Amino acid sequence: AQKVTQAQTEISVVEKEDVTLDCVYETRDTTYYLFWYKQPPSGELVFLIRRNSFDEQNEISGRYSWNFQKSTSSFNFTITASQVVDSAVYFCALSVGGSNYKLTFGKGTLLTVNP
Amino acid sequence: EPEVTQTPSHQVTQMGQEVILRCVPISNHLYFYWYRQILGQKVEFLVSFYNNEISEKSEIFDDRFSVERPDGSNFTLKIRSTKLEDSAMYFCASSVRETNEQYFGPGTRLTVT
Repeated sequence: AQKVTQAQTEISVVEKEDVTLDCVYETRDTTYYLFWYKQPPSGELVFLIRRNSFDEQNEISGRYSWNFQKSTSSFNFTITASQVVDSAVYFCALSVGGSNYKLTFGKGTLLTVNP
Repeated sequence: EPEVTQTPSHQVTQMGQEVILRCVPISNHLYFYWYRQILGQKVEFLVSFYNNEISEKSEIFDDRFSVERPDGSNFTLKIRSTKLEDSAMYFCASSVRETNEQYFGPGTRLTVT
């Protein structure tokens, strides 16, 4: 069975601070995909990034960066110079072929960026 | 930019009634999903659908639930004999391929009274 753990329930930072959201996953499959989604207060789920298990390169997109480490089964998400608009719940998710690639979500981390 | 749409945005129904939640996936997507999120909790998988068949369903997706793609564009979730515990936000999602990212609709908030 697959599992995603986001140990940080809530994080509060002041604008312009850097913040890292942790994600640890469990799966026995060797091929899998990892995702991050953002859920702002309006409630929709916004796709941020997808990584496959064979690509451990870190990725940067503007103020966002992701660190994928298979050795520790982690896929962490860093926001640099946070802004109030980054306030949201962030979900890490996992999909594997053995489960028809359904998304298994973590419980989410509520990030509050204060001005 | 193409997006997944869902109607209605909010549905209120009495316990025991039937509801149909509607979704229009992105047009060139082939894989369709329903998830639900009870208020303040994580997003949970309900069912996946491909080639007019259910690919997988979760324990939540019991005999009261059904999905259908009645035409080339709509994808519906029907819940019969609704229960209070069915109250949640229901999200539809679609993807081009099963390994690709899933794009989510804005959700339908179902309230069972």
